[in-house]
Amino acid sequence: GESVGLHLPTLSVQEGDNSIINCAYSNSASDYFIWYKQESGKGPQFIIDIRSNMDKRQGQRVTVLLNKTVKHLSLQIAATQPGDSAVYFCADARMDSSYKLIFGSGTRLLVRP
Amino acid sequence: ETGVTQTPRHLVMGMTNKKSLKCEQHLGHNAMYWYKQSAKKPLELMFVYNFKEQTENNSVPSRFSPECPNSSHLFLHLHTLQPEDSALYLCASSQERVDTQYFGPGTRLTVL
Repeated sequence: GESVGLHLPTLSVQEGDNSIINCAYSNSASDYFIWYKQESGKGPQFIIDIRSNMDKRQGQRVTVLLNKTVKHLSLQIAATQPGDSAVYFCADARMDSSYKLIFGSGTRLLVRP
Repeated sequence: ETGVTQTPRHLVMGMTNKKSLKCEQHLGHNAMYWYKQSAKKPLELMFVYNFKEQTENNSVPSRFSPECPNSSHLFLHLHTLQPEDSALYLCASSQERVDTQYFGPGTRLTVL
């Protein structure tokens, strides 16, 4: 992920709608990507990851899409629920001996009832 | 959260105090990490331990001193901190160096 500055982007969605959270990364050599969810007062929680040999991976209600051409990652949440309200972080890394997760600054997801 | 635990959850200390943060992972992992999370910055990696050996020090000031006595425990010793060190300190662990990292709940540190 790359730092997008001091302001935390916010996405507000209606309960039941689908959410799409976007992330850009800067290192073209990155080959591992991961999404975390962080609720208030808690540590980041693993959601889903994807390696560079794939462009899509699905989990339970979540899908991660990877576009290596434009160095873009997105997290799609289907049928968004109030419990999905949190800050979502993407991170990328190179899967070699220098493996180090580089985190983005996060996107706050607010779910309207 | 029983996978990775951190104590204390909250800590207030003066600039002349010495305190320690503790992390314990119950996942059988071999790698452990300290991160700093400030309000206006992305998560910053501080230290990495792999099989009890420190493999990374991300240019962290010497007033932060890590200790890893075994693969399950990680400490962060703090002394003569500055107010700008106030942040959420997160511990994480992974099976191997390149595996998914699992985070603890963090210690909210306030330096007065």
